[in-house]
Amino acid sequence: GESVGLHLPTLSVQEGDNSIINCAYSNSASDYFIWYKQESGKGPQFIIDIRSNMDKRQGQRVTVLLNKTVKHLSLQIAATQPGDSAVYFCAENIGDRGGGADGLTFGKGTHLIIQP
Amino acid sequence: EPEVTQTPSHQVTQMGQEVILRCVPISNHLYFYWYRQILGQKVEFLVSFYNNEISEKSEIFDDQFSVERPDGSNFTLKIRSTKLEDSAMYFCASMTGTTSGRQYFGPGTRLTVT
Repeated sequence: GESVGLHLPTLSVQEGDNSIINCAYSNSASDYFIWYKQESGKGPQFIIDIRSNMDKRQGQRVTVLLNKTVKHLSLQIAATQPGDSAVYFCAENIGDRGGGADGLTFGKGTHLIIQP
Repeated sequence: EPEVTQTPSHQVTQMGQEVILRCVPISNHLYFYWYRQILGQKVEFLVSFYNNEISEKSEIFDDQFSVERPDGSNFTLKIRSTKLEDSAMYFCASMTGTTSGRQYFGPGTRLTVT
């Protein structure tokens, strides 16, 4: 089974509304989590990251919440805009080798659709 | 902001042929990675590379794959004898430092094996 997964494959929200994208992970050894946005035909684009010693981190219009008790990660996007339409992936670094050696383990992705 | 670049953007090859995908990581980064993404699926880790050697590889990265940093700027992925199932987007990424952190992804190379 996958260690990182997403609850909903597609999320549709009205422009201007807030959106929440959820992600579950199963490996309690994961020490680093990251959200990427991917537009069609492009590479993953960094949104925000968080380390396991934190439970919340805020960026511009985005907030990541980490709940280690239930192994849950979420991405909140405030005041969504048409440009937010994309596939969003959560990813984790399990960290069993330590440091940068470990590749990221990606979830399946959620397609966020912003309705005008 | 500095970017990872990849060439070509699209490569079409016949089954059994060798392909080399090229990447130029961000210049002061220390870790380099290759990932692949089969159409409609999630991004999958292939290999990490540090200090001129492979650090970690996934079970996807079998003997038909190899990586090389031939000079101070390029990082390549070679697929020795392509199969139909190698058709995918291949992404290069790089990271500064040696602890877990943000990986910067390139735009990808779409590999089509016919």
